[in-house]
Amino acid sequence: GAGVSQSPSNKVTEKGKDVELRCDPISGHTALYWYRQSLGQGLEFLIYFQGNSAPDKSGLPSDRFSAERTGGSVSTLTIQRTQQEDSAVYLCASRPGPNQPQHFGDGTRLSIL
Amino acid sequence: DAKTTQPTSMDCAEGRAANLPCNHSTISGNEYVYWYRQIHSQGPQYIIHGLKNNETNEMASLIITEDRKSSTLILPHATLRDTAVYYCIVRASSNDYKLSFGAGTTVTVRA
Repeated sequence: GAGVSQSPSNKVTEKGKDVELRCDPISGHTALYWYRQSLGQGLEFLIYFQGNSAPDKSGLPSDRFSAERTGGSVSTLTIQRTQQEDSAVYLCASRPGPNQPQHFGDGTRLSIL
Repeated sequence: DAKTTQPTSMDCAEGRAANLPCNHSTISGNEYVYWYRQIHSQGPQYIIHGLKNNETNEMASLIITEDRKSSTLILPHATLRDTAVYYCIVRASSNDYKLSFGAGTTVTVRA
C-alpha cells in the first residue's frame, strides 16, 4: 500500500537559496510530523500538525523554517536563506490517531553548498 | 518520558532468531514500548509496539516482562535485509508525542 511519500529525495542548493520540501502522508492519517536527522545525530523534532488544530512549532530551529499543511493532507516545509548547517535528511511521518505508531517517508537529503 | 538502554551492537546469523534487549526501568504505567529500525539511507520503519502484553505481527514479536522494566524484540528468522539500527522507545499515551531516538542497537546479520 501507499506509504508516506517525500519529494525530492535529494536536493543540492547553494547557501542563501530557499528550498521547499514536500510530504504526502498516508491517506486518512490526521497527524503529520517533520523531523530532521543530521549525520551521526539522532532524530530532531521540528513541527507537528494535528487535524485543524494550530501546529506545534516548538522544534523549528529558527524563523527561516516554516511549514504548512493544506487541506489536512499534503505538507510543505520551507527553509529560507539556507545555511550550511541546514544540511541534513528531512523526514516526514504521519499517524492515524492516538496510541498508533508514526510511519515515516524515506526523507529528503538536503545538501547546502 | 522513560529512558531506554540498549546494547550498542550485536551480530546474528542469517536464519537464526535475533533477540534484541531493551531496559526501561523507569517506565510509567501509561507508557508504551515502541520499536523502530532504520536501514541505511531509508526512513525509520515501525516494527511493533505494546503496553504490557506480548505482541506479535508479521515482522517480529515483542516480549515485555511482567514488571515492564525491560523488553525483548525478537526477529524470528533474521535475514541479511534485517541489518539495521534498532531503536527502542518508550512514550506515554498521548496524541502529540514527538519521537526521539537514542543510539539504538546496530544489528548486523551475517550469512
